[in-house]
Amino acid sequence: QVQLPQWGAGLLKPSETLSLTCPVYGGSFSGYYWNWIRQPPGKGLEWIGEINHSGSTNYSPSLTSRVTISLDTSKNQFSLKLSSVTAADTAVYYCARGWYCNGAGCYKYYYYMDVWGKGTTVTVSS
Amino acid sequence: SSELTQDPTVSVALGQTVRITCQGDSLRNYYASWYQQKPRQAPLLVIYDKNNRPSGIPDRFSGSSSGNTASLTITGAQAEDEADYYCNSRDSSGNHVVFGGGTKLTVL
Repeated sequence: QVQLPQWGAGLLKPSETLSLTCPVYGGSFSGYYWNWIRQPPGKGLEWIGEINHSGSTNYSPSLTSRVTISLDTSKNQFSLKLSSVTAADTAVYYCARGWYCNGAGCYKYYYYMDVWGKGTTVTVSS
Repeated sequence: SSELTQDPTVSVALGQTVRITCQGDSLRNYYASWYQQKPRQAPLLVIYDKNNRPSGIPDRFSGSSSGNTASLTITGAQAEDEADYYCNSRDSSGNHVVFGGGTKLTVL
């Protein structure tokens, strides 16, 4: 069973860089999309970005200037970096595995995230 | 703003049926997936593809879609179904992932 025991620093000062890592235990990267999602206190889920097994990335338009998602296949993990953080970046950050059906075999396209990390609380405060 | 729109709150009497909806242009080309989130827990996938449930999800959860609207139906809601529910899809370009704003379900 695939597990995503994410980890990273939980307290940052404004202007610092957030850095989180998500090891992938019990599975491979192949065929999947690897996502980062965040949830500010009391608010909904916000997609940050994704990377596929080939290293191709997509980022949220609202965060693309500050986000980098990378893959380390030798360590079986993927990572998130978010630069120049402010209090507005305070949130619980989740990593998740995604599956995208968008090929000829799909009657209608679909996308879902079936495995999630437990979440890391990140607080930005001076 | 989210490209998928959900009602913020919905309530249902114990044992009754409730439908939670999600609207968005991308849903004309994508089936929505649905997630249940309880306080201080990570989201849990409950419905994906046309109407598939991951292992361990009760069969009282079902999904459907019509036009630009996807629906999650709980038939015979239980107290443990009280949670926030989020829909999810790709956007119309296919390049980005989007979530609905979430629906807080109260079981009375």
